[in-house]
Amino acid sequence: AQSVAQPEDQVNVAEGNPLTVKCTYSVSGNPYLFWYVQYPNRGLQFLLKYITGDNLVKGSYGFEAEFNKSQTSFHLKKPSALVSDSALYFCAVRGYSGGGADGLTFGKGTHLIIQP
Amino acid sequence: ETGVTQSPTHLIKTRGQQVTLRCSSQSGHNTVSWYQQALGQGPQFIFQYYREEENGRGNFPPRFSGLQFPNYSSELNVNALELDDSALYLCASSSPEGLAGVETQYFGPGTRLLVL
Repeated sequence: AQSVAQPEDQVNVAEGNPLTVKCTYSVSGNPYLFWYVQYPNRGLQFLLKYITGDNLVKGSYGFEAEFNKSQTSFHLKKPSALVSDSALYFCAVRGYSGGGADGLTFGKGTHLIIQP
Repeated sequence: ETGVTQSPTHLIKTRGQQVTLRCSSQSGHNTVSWYQQALGQGPQFIFQYYREEENGRGNFPPRFSGLQFPNYSSELNVNALELDDSALYLCASSSPEGLAGVETQYFGPGTRLLVL
């Protein structure tokens, strides 16, 4: 079975500063990793994913994530935060078992607050 | 915004009743997954349908059931509602991508269910 940990319930960053939202995972086999963002009263919006290849993945709205196999981490980053980046961020891992799809396993989410 | 739509947006039921939630997939997608997101938690995988067959299921009891139709739209049915079923129910559609076949799931806005 797979699992995802987002160790910070909330991250506060000043506008214009770089931001990092942390994620670690546990999965048997190859990790397929995702980041989603959720705005209030909305569904989840896809940001980026890692399947294979380069460890630095670029996604929507200037976000990127760094895959680190030895540390089993997939931290979300952005060089310069915007107030509009304030939202709830979810890291997820996809697993497959016994010929069936396991779906995405999500972390509990991290509230990102960008202060003007 | 994704092309995934869900209905209704909100629903109030009483304990013991049955409920049906609906989802229309994004054009070209043949896979639908359902998730339950309790307040303050990450989404939890309920099940996935591919070409009208269930091909993966999370840790949910049989009173959670589903259907997928030839046009790839889907229903989630929950029987004998319990208070703990109160949550945001998210539908996601996808289609296999590339050799790895690890698709990106695109989420609808969700249906918020309140069980009294």
